[in-house]
Amino acid sequence: DQQVKQNSPSLSVQEGRISILNCDYTNSMFDYFLWYKKYPAEGPTFLISISSIKDKNEDGRFTVFLNKSAKHLSLHIVPSQPGDSAVYFCAASPIQTGANNLFFGTGTRLTVIP
Amino acid sequence: EPEVTQTPSHQVTQMGQEVILRCVPISNHLYFYWYRQILGQKVEFLVSFYNNEISEKSEIFDDQFSVERPDGSNFTLKIRSTKLEDSAMYFCASRLNSVISPLHFGNGTRLTVT
Repeated sequence: DQQVKQNSPSLSVQEGRISILNCDYTNSMFDYFLWYKKYPAEGPTFLISISSIKDKNEDGRFTVFLNKSAKHLSLHIVPSQPGDSAVYFCAASPIQTGANNLFFGTGTRLTVIP
Repeated sequence: EPEVTQTPSHQVTQMGQEVILRCVPISNHLYFYWYRQILGQKVEFLVSFYNNEISEKSEIFDDQFSVERPDGSNFTLKIRSTKLEDSAMYFCASRLNSVISPLHFGNGTRLTVT
């Protein structure tokens, strides 16, 4: 049951350019969305989140966009830095149902080329 | 910054043996979770725990699994009789409350069942 999908397993971007990571979901009950970054041998690290009442949330170089009608969200990183190279996971939660767990996508490996 | 800590970082066990994975969540957090990631696959929800009881569990969390918060700080995952397919990274996570707050993950325990 792939309720959260990240269709691009990998992405390479030049340093200084924009990285755009995409995520699609199927469950219309999802109303809270998060992006996590994961380095090898470490746990996922929270980056940024957005609730379904918004369509954009920005934190420094990171911006998350939510398109509810398309059931799509994206993470923009501008400018990309070599230290951003990691696996990025999209996650979603159906808070309105009272559930409190997260459903994760399969991840996109971002490589930022110096 | 407070963090979730997990021990051991790597556990090797023989099939059929019991293992206990240990976690110390962030001290003022109220919700506790176990997730796992089989190599090359997505991060999967196992169980959530609140107010000294399981609040949700997935199909993976069968009666071979149990969780416990034996004191005010530790949160453990026990696998009674390990199988080869239990080999994975196990991540503990905690969150402050259930309403729009991110999960904070530990660095994981790599469980290898031989």
